[in-house]
Amino acid sequence: GESVGLHLPTLSVQEGDNSIINCAYSNSASDYFIWYKQESGKGPQFIIDIRSNMDKRQGQRVTVLLNKTVKHLSLQIAATQPGDSAVYFCAQGAAGNKLTFGGGTRVLVKP
Amino acid sequence: DAGVTQSPTHLIKTRGQQVTLRCSPKSGHDTVSWYQQALGQGPQFIFQYYEEEERQRGNFPDRFSGHQFPNYSSELNVNALLLGDSALYLCASSLGQVLNSPLHFGNGTRLTVT
Repeated sequence: GESVGLHLPTLSVQEGDNSIINCAYSNSASDYFIWYKQESGKGPQFIIDIRSNMDKRQGQRVTVLLNKTVKHLSLQIAATQPGDSAVYFCAQGAAGNKLTFGGGTRVLVKP
Repeated sequence: DAGVTQSPTHLIKTRGQQVTLRCSPKSGHDTVSWYQQALGQGPQFIFQYYEEEERQRGNFPDRFSGHQFPNYSSELNVNALLLGDSALYLCASSLGQVLNSPLHFGNGTRLTVT
């Protein structure tokens, strides 16, 4: 079946340092992967996505890496800021834009 | 440009009652998906509506039903509420004809069943 597995750890990072959030997925047939950020009291906010024909994609201060061999996805945040404190979810897409989410990682940015 | 809007923001219901949640998609979007998010977990797909029809459904019982209107807005109905239905209900919109169109989420309706 499809599952995107994230433990629910809390990642504490010093302001200005880089953050790396990891995610494992099980459905190797998926060709679309997305990272979302969810702040308290809000819905998930799209950060960045990547297709399975790529292994790296960069956005503003964020980089997503996809390793299809070991079914692993990661999100790197450069120069982490207090506004980056949130829960981060990876998700994998299926036909018709149905998403399967992992359990989330909480990022706490220490000033 | 309004994003996805959901109403109400919070709701308290009693076990056995019925509830209706509402969603207006982001301007220009024609597809609406509903997700249930339990506390501390990732959202789980309930169903998706496009062209006023249910196109996909997740592993949820028939107590969960929905509707999409000609203006693309949508409702989620839950009958015979159980305590376990307490969750954040998220609506997401996208462009149905665009492959892997990113989903845009609203801020959800927090449903508490007592």
